[in-house]
Amino acid sequence: GAGVSQSPSNKVTEKGKDVELRCDPISGHTALYWYRQSLGQGLEFLIYFQGNSAPDKSGLPSDRFSAERTGGSVSTLTIQRTQQEDSAVYLCASSRLGEGYTFGSGTRLTVV
Amino acid sequence: GDSVTQMEGPVTLSEEAFLTINCTYTATGYPSLFWYVQYPGEGLQLLLKATKADDKGSNKGFEATYRKETTSFHLEKGSVQVSDSAVYFCARLAGNNRKLIWGLGTSLAVNP
Repeated sequence: GAGVSQSPSNKVTEKGKDVELRCDPISGHTALYWYRQSLGQGLEFLIYFQGNSAPDKSGLPSDRFSAERTGGSVSTLTIQRTQQEDSAVYLCASSRLGEGYTFGSGTRLTVV
Repeated sequence: GDSVTQMEGPVTLSEEAFLTINCTYTATGYPSLFWYVQYPGEGLQLLLKATKADDKGSNKGFEATYRKETTSFHLEKGSVQVSDSAVYFCARLAGNNRKLIWGLGTSLAVNP
């Protein structure tokens, strides 16, 4: 597509529930990244996919977080047993290797 | 390790004032450098970039010059507008040209 698409744009969930966040990158971009941005904080790297290589999961904060990228395109970030500290804006970005990112508009997750 | 350091905000200016937001980086070699902007309620957007030493990136009246001698990429604008109020992030590509390494962001508020 023309841009990086993320859904839902907003998600309110109860503590302890699982959530899935979706990212549809720009067609032809081989790299896909997930970040999160908490209020007043910088960007926190979560996970990176590049082509068919094993993903770089070094930023995932706990084993409750996981992500998949199917067919080298759409990615899903799953948070299990959500906690209040998981509340943040989750940003997805894609790029061609070695170039700057194009970001989606993000999913604002609120855990109540 | 590799890092990006930005001046802390918030920065508050009057309309038509001169803007400088400092950014320095640590790196071996000469990574590509970027400035991203996040307007209130919106996602991150690439503002400008420079891919090699002495390059000058420019967009929307903003400029930044890749200075390898001082490992800096300071963002400047000669005359800011209220519409420039946003958070500005400096970033550099990691040595393996995969992930972006981010500064913490600098909030700019321009008053009429």
